[in-house]
Amino acid sequence: AQKVTQAQTEISVVEKEDVTLDCVYETRDTTYYLFWYKQPPSGELVFLIRRNSFDEQNEISGRYSWNFQKSTSSFNFTITASQVVDSAVYFCALRANNAGNMLTFGGGTRLMVKP
Amino acid sequence: GAGVSQSPSNKVTEKGKDVELRCDPISGHTALYWYRQSLGQGLEFLIYFQGNSAPDKSGLPSDRFSAERTGGSVSTLTIQRTQQEDSAVYLCASSPNSGVSSYEQYFGPGTRLTVT
Repeated sequence: AQKVTQAQTEISVVEKEDVTLDCVYETRDTTYYLFWYKQPPSGELVFLIRRNSFDEQNEISGRYSWNFQKSTSSFNFTITASQVVDSAVYFCALRANNAGNMLTFGGGTRLMVKP
Repeated sequence: GAGVSQSPSNKVTEKGKDVELRCDPISGHTALYWYRQSLGQGLEFLIYFQGNSAPDKSGLPSDRFSAERTGGSVSTLTIQRTQQEDSAVYLCASSPNSGVSSYEQYFGPGTRLTVT
């Protein structure tokens, strides 16, 4: 069975602070894919990144960076110099190759960035 | 280009009535998914369509739920004899046919269903 855990249900920061959202996953598959989605107040899930299990390189995109560590089954997401527009619920998700094509989502982390 | 669209955006129905929710995937996307987002259960997979293959219905919570996809494009999720626990946001997603980007799912705005 696949499982994604986002232990932080809610995080509040002040603008310009850095913040890291944690994601821990469980799967028996050796080939899998990890994702982050953003759900702003408007409600639509926005795709942010996909990571393959065989590629442990970290990735940076502007103020966003992702740290994938297979040794700890974690795929953490860091926002540098947070902005009010970053306020949203962030979901980590897993797609395991031998477990169908669906995404298994974590419970989400609500990030509030205050001015 | 146009994203995934869903209609209606909001639906209020009485307990026991049937409802139909519609999803238009991104043009050219062959895979289509339905998920449900509720306060108690988070985001749950419901059903998956890929081309002309038999759908993966493993996430449907009961036989009151069904879905079809006509012509490999538009999909309709039907809930019969709605119950209050069916109240949730129903999300549709689609993904391309090939390449590693086929694993990326692009979501619509959802239909908020309220059963009174």
